[in-house]
Amino acid sequence: ILNVEQSPQSLHVQEGDSTNFTCSFPSSNFYALHWYRWETAKSPEALFVMTLNGDEKKKGRISATLNTKEGYSYLYIKGSQPEDSATYLCAFYNFNKFYFGSGTKLNVKP
Amino acid sequence: DTAVSQTPKYLVTQMGNDKSIKCEQNLGHDTMYWYKQDSKKFLKIMFSYNNKELIINETVPNRFSPKSPDKAHLNLHINSLELGDSAVYFCASSPVRGPNSPLHFGNGTRLTVT
Repeated sequence: ILNVEQSPQSLHVQEGDSTNFTCSFPSSNFYALHWYRWETAKSPEALFVMTLNGDEKKKGRISATLNTKEGYSYLYIKGSQPEDSATYLCAFYNFNKFYFGSGTKLNVKP
Repeated sequence: DTAVSQTPKYLVTQMGNDKSIKCEQNLGHDTMYWYKQDSKKFLKIMFSYNNKELIINETVPNRFSPKSPDKAHLNLHINSLELGDSAVYFCASSPVRGPNSPLHFGNGTRLTVT
């Protein structure tokens, strides 16, 4: 069983704050790491697919970095807005399947 | 316009019953999946099909049987339902198999077994 851990479990920030959270995964046999945003009452939506050590991806105010040698990825949100409130999931690909973390639940207060 | 749709959204049934959850994707994807969200909120793979062929079959009780009549559909049939089967089940699809292909999820089916 592969362990994919996300921290923190939940996060409360004020509108305008920048924030980041972590996904940790095994550092051997790396293939890919995905980030998903999961809003309440909706389905998870893909944010980033990261495949190379040192990858940096950006979509608007959200960006992610990847360190495969030490087994972690960071997700950053700059200037958080209430619409960023969601659970952010990471998924590590190995042995032909994805192993999901339990997510970081972000609440952005106006 | 829903890309991955699963029905029903909620399913309440008694122990021992047999039930099915249907999933359809209109994205033209080759690969479809069933995931179960466990009590700790982790999404765990149950089955994966690629072009109607079963490629992943996790350690899931035999009471769970997937069926893919064509590559746009992957249904999940559950026999002799047990209390422990209560969970949220998610269907997903991806363009192709492999690590670089993002998953597209349905909205989930909340199954409650009483």
